[in-house]
Amino acid sequence: AQSVSQHNHHVILSEAASLELGCNYSYGGTVNLFWYVQYPGQHLQLLLKYFSGDPLVKGIKGFEAEFIKSKFSFNLRKPSVQWSDTAEYFCAVNGGATNKLIFGTGTLLAVQP
Amino acid sequence: DAGVTQSPTHLIKTRGQQVTLRCSPKSGHDTVSWYQQALGQGPQFIFQYYEEEERQRGNFPDRFSGHQFPNYSSELNVNALLLGDSALYLCASSYTGVGSYNEQFFGPGTRLTVL
Repeated sequence: AQSVSQHNHHVILSEAASLELGCNYSYGGTVNLFWYVQYPGQHLQLLLKYFSGDPLVKGIKGFEAEFIKSKFSFNLRKPSVQWSDTAEYFCAVNGGATNKLIFGTGTLLAVQP
Repeated sequence: DAGVTQSPTHLIKTRGQQVTLRCSPKSGHDTVSWYQQALGQGPQFIFQYYEEEERQRGNFPDRFSGHQFPNYSSELNVNALLLGDSALYLCASSYTGVGSYNEQFFGPGTRLTVL
């Protein structure tokens, strides 16, 4: 069955710390991969996406993610987090003839000033 | 350029009632998908509409139905509401066409509370 796993449910970091959020997926065939962010009181926004090509993708606000096909992973990274990065982060995948998104359960990131 | 809009923002209903949620897609988009996000969970796919027809459906009962209008806007209807239907309902729009990657843009959601 198609699924997405986010192993870190709740992460607490201090400002300037480095961030890596794990995402693993189970999906047959060609996949498109996404990270969405939901800031407090705001709607889901696309942080970055991978469709093809360079497996290292850069998104908004200094975030990046690396697609490792052999590990079925698409981990999100940021070298130095800010208090404003406090939010919930969702990894998602789709592919094939449909663009139905399958989401992970999300990781709640709290950055302490 | 207006993004995806949804109405209402909040809704309170009682068990057994019926509810209709509305969504207007982003300009230029022709496909609308609906998701249910329960508290502490990721969004779950309900169904997707394209060319006024349901193109794909997730694991939701027939109490959940929808419609897409010629202007691409969409409605989500839920009948015989249960307490477990309380959630944030998200609408996402995208463009289905040659060269598109079907990137989905989300609206702010409708918070439904069933008492």
